[in-house]
Amino acid sequence: NAGVMQNPRHLVRRRGQEARLRCSPMKGHSHVYWYRQLPEEGLKFMVYLQKENIIDESGMPKERFSAEFPKEGPSILRIQQVVRGDSAAYFCASSPPTSGKGTQYFGPGTRLLVL
Amino acid sequence: AQTVTQSQPEMSVQEAETVTLSCTYDTSESDYYLFWYKQPPSRQMILVIRQEAYKQQNATENRFSVNFQKAAKSFSLKISDSQLGDAAMYFCARLDSKLTFGKGITLSVRP
Repeated sequence: NAGVMQNPRHLVRRRGQEARLRCSPMKGHSHVYWYRQLPEEGLKFMVYLQKENIIDESGMPKERFSAEFPKEGPSILRIQQVVRGDSAAYFCASSPPTSGKGTQYFGPGTRLLVL
Repeated sequence: AQTVTQSQPEMSVQEAETVTLSCTYDTSESDYYLFWYKQPPSRQMILVIRQEAYKQQNATENRFSVNFQKAAKSFSLKISDSQLGDAAMYFCARLDSKLTFGKGITLSVRP
């Protein structure tokens, strides 16, 4: 039973380019969460999605960031016109379809470096 | 903001000894969960232990146990018989409407 999959594991972009981060949840999980971790800090919540729905995006920056979880395929976190401050580790987590208080299982993360 | 506080940035323990990592939190909700996650140098986030706030009994997973003091909003992690592989960052987290993490503590294990 595969865990949460994220790709790519490492991504290098130049300022102004777009970054697309992918996340495939664990089998049977329908809730997906994205977090950002800056160096020497804990993870910060960005967005919570279910299939075709954004449930909570209170942690998402207002501009340049978007997320989706389509009916088919992985969840995508998209960062447009990246800046150096976007350099971080981005983690995806998934949980089973419970009341929303299910344990979240994390993927290995994508390390984004903006040059 | 409702926070999760890990006041110790780092700790060290001798192999085979016991160490306790502290965590306090704030919440206005009655239904919530608490977690400890381990992040080794690979940076993978690994679930260590989970505690439901409505349960009075402290959770235990092999060498890992918690001391959950609900009234004090305290949730410490005890690691018994410490092993070299326990060396990592440890994050305390609270799940109510969303999962909120503390800043983490770096645990080193001395051989």
